[in-house]
Amino acid sequence: GAGVSQSPRYKVTKRGQDVTLRCDPISSHATLYWYQQALGQGPEFLTYFNYEAQPDKSGLPSDRFSAERPEGSISTLTIQRTEQRDSAMYRCASSLMRGSCETQYFGPGTRLLVL
Amino acid sequence: DQQVKQNSPSLSVQEGRISILNCDYTNSMFDYFLWYKKYPAEGPTFLISISSIKDKNEDGRFTVFLNKSAKHLSLHIVPSQPGDSAVYFCAASDAGGTSYGKLTFGQGTILTVHP
Repeated sequence: GAGVSQSPRYKVTKRGQDVTLRCDPISSHATLYWYQQALGQGPEFLTYFNYEAQPDKSGLPSDRFSAERPEGSISTLTIQRTEQRDSAMYRCASSLMRGSCETQYFGPGTRLLVL
Repeated sequence: DQQVKQNSPSLSVQEGRISILNCDYTNSMFDYFLWYKKYPAEGPTFLISISSIKDKNEDGRFTVFLNKSAKHLSLHIVPSQPGDSAVYFCAASDAGGTSYGKLTFGQGTILTVHP
């Protein structure tokens, strides 16, 4: 596609519910990143995929967070048993290939509010 | 543990003047640095980068300076234009280590350029 897209753009849920966020990267981009951004802060790394492999999950805050990219394209981020502290902007980015010098293209984000 | 810090939450500049945005980092393993720009309701977009083997990189009106001994970088915009008004994020990566592009972001600086 023309750019990275994310859905939904906004999600309001009640504490304890599960939510799934979707990221559609730029087609042909091998690498996909998930970031969490609290209000007034910069994005914080959660996890990344290289094609369908997920080599680094170190940024996931707890085992309630999981991510998938089963066919190496679209990715989902699932938060189980949501808590109020999970409220944040969740950003997805993709790059053509793995590497620090590869430009990451960010999507518009999903704003999650847990009541 | 904030490894990348942008100590100025906001900056206001007159059109035509120079804007200087600052960023400090603590992790000596960081060797690749980037600036991203973000407009409201959009994801961050890549602006300019610099490798630690350089101390300056220029792209049109934008110049990034890196002082490795001080662990400090700055972004200069000359001349500033009203369209430059946005949030600017500094980011850093350990390209030589992890080499997959995990970015650590600062908190961001809101730049306002007045006509």
